Amino acid sequence: NAGVMQNPRHLVRRRGQEARLRCSPMKGHSHVYWYRQLPEEGLKFMVYLQKENIIDESGMPKERFSAEFPKEGPSILRIQQVVRGDSAAYFCASSSDRGETQYFGPGTRLLVL
Amino acid sequence: SQQGEEDPQALSIQEGENATMNCSYKTSINNLQWYRQNSGRGLVHLILIRSNEREKHSGRLRVTLDTSKKSSSLLITASRAADTASYFCATVQTGANNLFFGTGTRLTVIP
Repeated sequence: NAGVMQNPRHLVRRRGQEARLRCSPMKGHSHVYWYRQLPEEGLKFMVYLQKENIIDESGMPKERFSAEFPKEGPSILRIQQVVRGDSAAYFCASSSDRGETQYFGPGTRLLVL
Repeated sequence: SQQGEEDPQALSIQEGENATMNCSYKTSINNLQWYRQNSGRGLVHLILIRSNEREKHSGRLRVTLDTSKKSSSLLITASRAADTASYFCATVQTGANNLFFGTGTRLTVIP
């Protein structure tokens, strides 16, 4: 049973470009969460999705950030017009149900030049 | 802040010793989870303890939860150099969907 998969593992973008981060949950999991981790800090929640629905986006910046989890395919976290402050590690987690154990992917480390 | 706080921030021990990390939080919770993160890597789930549980064991790990004090502790017995990592507690608050992470404890186990 493959774990949570994220790609790319590392992503370098110049200011103003778009970043697309992908997450495939564990088999059988329909709940996906995105978190951001700045250097030397804990993870901070961004958004919680179930298939085709955004359930909670209270941690998501209001502008430039969007997320989706289509019926088929991975969940996508999209950051438009990236700025240097977006440089961070972005982790995806999945669970079998709300409130249950969340299993994390290896993360995507975004560097904005 | 809704996030928990862990202490100590950093802990250095000799191999074979026990390591204890503490976590405090602020609101009522459904469960509390402990994760390990090696430098530059993803998070590994260690253990989940529900709000109606007081203690849980998994191998060399022992977790306690005191909901009256809103605190938890993680004990790693007979530590090994491979236990060197950052350890985070995270809570699922009542009515919430996501994990609220603490600031982490950096554990160094000296061979």
